[in-house]
Amino acid sequence: AQSVTQLDSQVPVFEEAPVELRCNYSSSVSVYLFWYVQYPNQGLQLLLKYLSGSTLVKGINGFEAEFNKSQTSFHLRKPSVHISDTAEYFCAVGRHSGGGADGLTFGKGTHLIIQP
Amino acid sequence: DSGVTQTPKHLITATGQRVTLRCSPRSGDLSVYWYQQSLDQGLQFLIQYYNGEERAKGNILERFSAQQFPDLHSELNLSSLELGDSALYFCASSVDVSTYGYTFGSGTRLTVV
Repeated sequence: AQSVTQLDSQVPVFEEAPVELRCNYSSSVSVYLFWYVQYPNQGLQLLLKYLSGSTLVKGINGFEAEFNKSQTSFHLRKPSVHISDTAEYFCAVGRHSGGGADGLTFGKGTHLIIQP
Repeated sequence: DSGVTQTPKHLITATGQRVTLRCSPRSGDLSVYWYQQSLDQGLQFLIQYYNGEERAKGNILERFSAQQFPDLHSELNLSSLELGDSALYFCASSVDVSTYGYTFGSGTRLTVV
């Protein structure tokens, strides 16, 4: 089984400052890694994903994440946040061998609050 | 608009009742996934269908069931509802079942009173 830990339930950041949202995972098998964003009263939107290859993954809206296998981490970063980035961010993992059929395991989420 | 349509958007019902949530996948997607998002449990995978057949079950209660029809839309049936079933229920669809290439719908908010 897999598990995902998002170390911060809430992260307040000033506008135009950099931000890092932390995600650690646990799995006995190889996994794919994802970050999703959920704006108020909306569904989940994929920000970026790591399937294989380069450990630095670039996503939409200026976000990027780095896969660190030795530390089992997949932290999300943005060099300069905007007020519109205020949302809930979810880290998720899925088994390689599951072929998509196992479903994703999500973390509890991190609420990013951008302060003007 | 993600292309995944869920109806209804909101549903309020009493304990003990049965409801049906509907999901129309994005055009061309054969796979449908159901997830539950609650304050207590967070986002949990419930069940997956691919081209009409059940492929995987997650933390789905026995009181819940789902199916995918020949036109690929899916329904999630929740029966003998309890207060704890109040949650957001998301449907996601994908054409690529090997890499979790999901597109999520905007969800159905179920309130059990």
